[in-house]
Amino acid sequence: DQQVKQNSPSLSVQEGRISILNCDYTNSMFDYFLWYKKYPAEGPTFLISISSIKDKNEDGRFTVFLNKSAKHLSLHIVPSQPGDSAVYFCAAVGGSQGNLIFGKGTKLSVKP
Amino acid sequence: GAVVSQHPSRVICKSGTSVKIECRSLDFQATTMFWYRQFPKQSLMLMATSNEGSKATYEQGVEKDKFLINHASLTLSTLTVTSAHPEDSSFYICSAAPRGGRDNEQFFGPGTRLTVL
Repeated sequence: DQQVKQNSPSLSVQEGRISILNCDYTNSMFDYFLWYKKYPAEGPTFLISISSIKDKNEDGRFTVFLNKSAKHLSLHIVPSQPGDSAVYFCAAVGGSQGNLIFGKGTKLSVKP
Repeated sequence: GAVVSQHPSRVICKSGTSVKIECRSLDFQATTMFWYRQFPKQSLMLMATSNEGSKATYEQGVEKDKFLINHASLTLSTLTVTSAHPEDSSFYICSAAPRGGRDNEQFFGPGTRLTVL
């Protein structure tokens, strides 16, 4: 059973608009979440993270929101740019050694 | 800083042969390294966790005799796919947690594309 879920496999957004990528998790013990961006044939690169003691973290065009009661987090990209087109993975820190549990990813396409 | 390299970046091998993939932290010491596998259109799946100087901890369903992991030093972990078969074809990614790093800090390698003919 998936502990981290990204229910939208793909998302298409117009350049300049907001992109909202969603992620749900099932384990209320998760207390740290990360978003990664992945281009084809490359490893994931870290984007932004959030601790469960916060409900929002902002870094430039990227903002992550965490709703603990709903076990839901989202990544907002404003304004979206064509270079943002990639697969975005949501991950939670789980396991005793801090390994990451990933969602299946959402492919974002930003159209000029 | 915090660069993780993987070698090779791509490898093609015949069925039944063994392939070794290296994961190196170039400018930091990694107490823990993780190995992930990505299937097409699927998420990154953790295969095993390796700590320097000790045996790797494998996730359920991952054959430890098939996927040999060695974490010989604080900057190098290797994954050897033994007797590779076409179903082992995948993108293998390592990540490294730096010694003394912030909580949950982890840096990914660029990945290795394995194709088994």
